[in-house]
Amino acid sequence: KAGVTQTPRYLIKTRGQQVTLSCSPISGHRSVSWYQQTPGQGLQFLFEYFSETQRNKGNFPGRFSGRQFSNSRSEMNVSTLELGDSALYLCASSPLPDRVINEQYFGPGTRLTVT
Amino acid sequence: EDKVVQSPLSLVVHEGDTVTLNCSYEVTNFRSLLWYKQEKKAPTFLFMLTSSGIEKKSGRLSSILDKKELFSILNITATQTGDSAIYLCAVDSNYQLIWGAGTKLIIKP
Repeated sequence: KAGVTQTPRYLIKTRGQQVTLSCSPISGHRSVSWYQQTPGQGLQFLFEYFSETQRNKGNFPGRFSGRQFSNSRSEMNVSTLELGDSALYLCASSPLPDRVINEQYFGPGTRLTVT
Repeated sequence: EDKVVQSPLSLVVHEGDTVTLNCSYEVTNFRSLLWYKQEKKAPTFLFMLTSSGIEKKSGRLSSILDKKELFSILNITATQTGDSAIYLCAVDSNYQLIWGAGTKLIIKP
């Protein structure tokens, strides 16, 4: 079974631009979560989607948004990029349909650099 | 505010040593505590703990949870260079994972 895939793997943008990152979960997984990882802050939860609905959201400004499609693929968008948005963005999928957090399978991440 | 604190932040030991990594937490609605290992990019799942005092074991790794004192430890015995990684602790609070900053473990041959 193929793992979680994320595209692109690396991205360089300038301040003020916007960016869209994509995540394809493991086949059959319907829950997708997004995280931001920086050296100083560690992993921080962005949001979680299940069956095209956002079920949970972390403490990030409205510039960070996401969506999930009917095939469970998910995208996250960051508008008006700031230097502090430079980070590794990780996507994780989970096979469990109900609201029980167990194993989350992580993708390789997208490294975003904002200059 | 929910928080998860890991200690130490980094640790350097020699192959064969035993290490203990710590994770303490303060969250509003504890449901479970999870340990992950992150080597290059993607964290990989190690353990999930929900009950106090019950040790989870996998090979040379083991972990236990103390819900009264609000902490967990991850033990690695007979360390090998392949154990070098960042070990992450996360707590499920209200269906959201709150992550610690991680412990960077370096095993010297």
